[in-house]
Amino acid sequence: QVQLVESGGGVVQSGRSLRLSCAASGFNFRTYVMHWVRQAPGKGLEWVGFIWSDGTNAFYADSVEGRFTISKDNSKNTLYLQMNSLRAEDTAVYYCAREPEGGHNDMDVWGQGTTVTVSS
Amino acid sequence: QAGLTQPPSVSKGLRQTATLTCTGNSDNVGGQGAAWLQQRQGHPPKLLSYRNNNRPSGISDRFSASRSGNTASLTITGLQPEDEADYYCSAWDGGLSGWVFGGGTHLTVL
Repeated sequence: QVQLVESGGGVVQSGRSLRLSCAASGFNFRTYVMHWVRQAPGKGLEWVGFIWSDGTNAFYADSVEGRFTISKDNSKNTLYLQMNSLRAEDTAVYYCAREPEGGHNDMDVWGQGTTVTVSS
Repeated sequence: QAGLTQPPSVSKGLRQTATLTCTGNSDNVGGQGAAWLQQRQGHPPKLLSYRNNNRPSGISDRFSASRSGNTASLTITGLQPEDEADYYCSAWDGGLSGWVFGGGTHLTVL
């Protein structure tokens, strides 16, 4: 069945780095735009960024631009989020979500999420 | 990124109808509409409605979405206890070149 499984979360000190992974299965990963969305404790959803289906271009929210990098390995069916210069406000559950390519589509399948805690 | 506006909470009785709203502007909701997601406590979000107001396979027809101008709405009929959850709207914002979410509405089924 269609599945997205995030991993790599944990507790990290402020200023350090962390890389999250999202393993995809059950669908043709190559034909999907992939997103990262986060949710701070007790708060709403915040879009982090997305990457084109072929992995060539990524776009980010202002809050993470220049610190976070999204990459996509279609040969491994895996999405990544490299997070550098982490801040306390980056503490959140991080979800990956897929969007069929072609434009005007939506995030139709979400993973279970992985928790990142940035300590000062 | 500026977000979409949703009322923080709505309460309705069992088997009643709830209508949740999501207000944006012409760059987002007014442009391509809004999708709706449901998030039950401790679970990831689940897509209830696409921006074109269609439902994904497996979503009950008790959930229906619509749009008027810059405001999107999600109507839930015949409320059930399992409908108690947080509901989020989301939209592509052409002005920001990014996705935006509403702050979420917590629906309580009395």
